[in-house]
Amino acid sequence: AQSVTQLGSHVSVSEGALVLLRCNYSSSVPPYLFWYVQYPNQGLQLLLKYTTGATLVKGINGFEAEFKKSETSFHLTKPSAHMSDAAEYFCAVTAGGGNNRLAFGKGNQVVVIP
Amino acid sequence: DTGVSQNPRHKITKRGQNVTFRCDPISEHNRLYWYRQTLGQGPEFLTYFQNEAQLEKSRLLSDRFSAERPKGSFSTLEIQRTEQGDSAMYLCASSRSDRRGWETQYFGPGTRLLVL
Repeated sequence: AQSVTQLGSHVSVSEGALVLLRCNYSSSVPPYLFWYVQYPNQGLQLLLKYTTGATLVKGINGFEAEFKKSETSFHLTKPSAHMSDAAEYFCAVTAGGGNNRLAFGKGNQVVVIP
Repeated sequence: DTGVSQNPRHKITKRGQNVTFRCDPISEHNRLYWYRQTLGQGPEFLTYFQNEAQLEKSRLLSDRFSAERPKGSFSTLEIQRTEQGDSAMYLCASSRSDRRGWETQYFGPGTRLLVL
């Protein structure tokens, strides 16, 4: 079974500062990893994903994440926060192959301080 | 590609009533998933379809819940005899797997259910 841990439900960051959201996963097979963003009262939008290959993955809106197998981590970063980055962010893992149901973390609510 | 759509977007019902939600996936996506999201939590898997076949159901899906995907297109999720604990956001996602089994799930806007 796969699972994800996201620590710190609320993350405050100053506008222009680094955004860092931590994600650690547990998987019995090579994982596929995703970050999704959710704006209020909306569904989830894919930010980026890792399947195989390059471990540094670039996504939309200037976000990127690095897969580190030795640390079982897939942390999300953005060099400079914008006000529009205020949202909830979810890390998710799936095993691939058959049923690709996603196992999500509890999410990080990001607040951007002007 | 018009995206995944869900209807209704909001539903308020009284305890004990039945409700039905609809999900229209991205055309040609063969897989369709239902998730439930409660306040302050990440989405939790409920069930999924490959074409019209329902291949797996979570333990979260009690016998009051039923899902269908006739003809492998849209899907419906019905909750019978609703309880206050059913209040949540119900999310639908669709995907198309490639030869290696990789896929990306695209989510709809969700249906927010409030049971009074």
